[in-house]
Amino acid sequence: AQKVTQAQTEISVVEKEDVTLDCVYETRDTTYYLFWYKQPPSGELVFLIRRNSFDEQNEISGRYSWNFQKSTSSFNFTITASQVVDSAVYFCALSGYNTDKLIFGTGTRLQVFP
Amino acid sequence: DARVTQTPRHKVTEMGQEVTMRCQPILGHNTVFWYRQTMMQGLELLAYFRNRAPLDDSGMPKDRFSAEMPDATLATLKIQPSEPRDSAVYFCASGYRGLTDTQYFGPGTRLTVL
Repeated sequence: AQKVTQAQTEISVVEKEDVTLDCVYETRDTTYYLFWYKQPPSGELVFLIRRNSFDEQNEISGRYSWNFQKSTSSFNFTITASQVVDSAVYFCALSGYNTDKLIFGTGTRLQVFP
Repeated sequence: DARVTQTPRHKVTEMGQEVTMRCQPILGHNTVFWYRQTMMQGLELLAYFRNRAPLDDSGMPKDRFSAEMPDATLATLKIQPSEPRDSAVYFCASGYRGLTDTQYFGPGTRLTVL
């Protein structure tokens, strides 16, 4: 069975702090995809990143970085120098290489205060 | 900037009424998904299509929900008759299986059934 766990329900930080959102997954597939989506207060779901299981390189995009560690089944997301606009619910998700279904975590609500 | 569009964005209706939600997937995408998001259940996959053919609707209450793709540019989700427990945000997503394998979400339809 596939499962995604986001143990942090809610995180509050002050602007300019760094924050890491945790994601732990379970799968029996040898090849799979991991995703992060952002859901701002306006409600839409915005795709942030997709990572293939065979590519363990970490990725950086501006203030965002992702740390994929197969050994611990984790795909953590770090926001550096957080801003108020980063306030949102962030979802981690998993899909098997040969399946279409996305398994979502329960989300982490990030609040960034000025 | 290609996007998934959904109409209406908000819908308030009374119990027993028919509700139709529409989705225009990103041009060229071959897979369309319908999700429902509630506080209690999180994001649930209701149904999805590939090349307009239904592949899986196991997440959908069969007695009142129906999903169709009349053509490649339109997907519909109908609820008849609607019930208060159907109140949720309904998301459509599209993707291209075998190419990007990433689901891009529309802005959602917020449904309230009184």
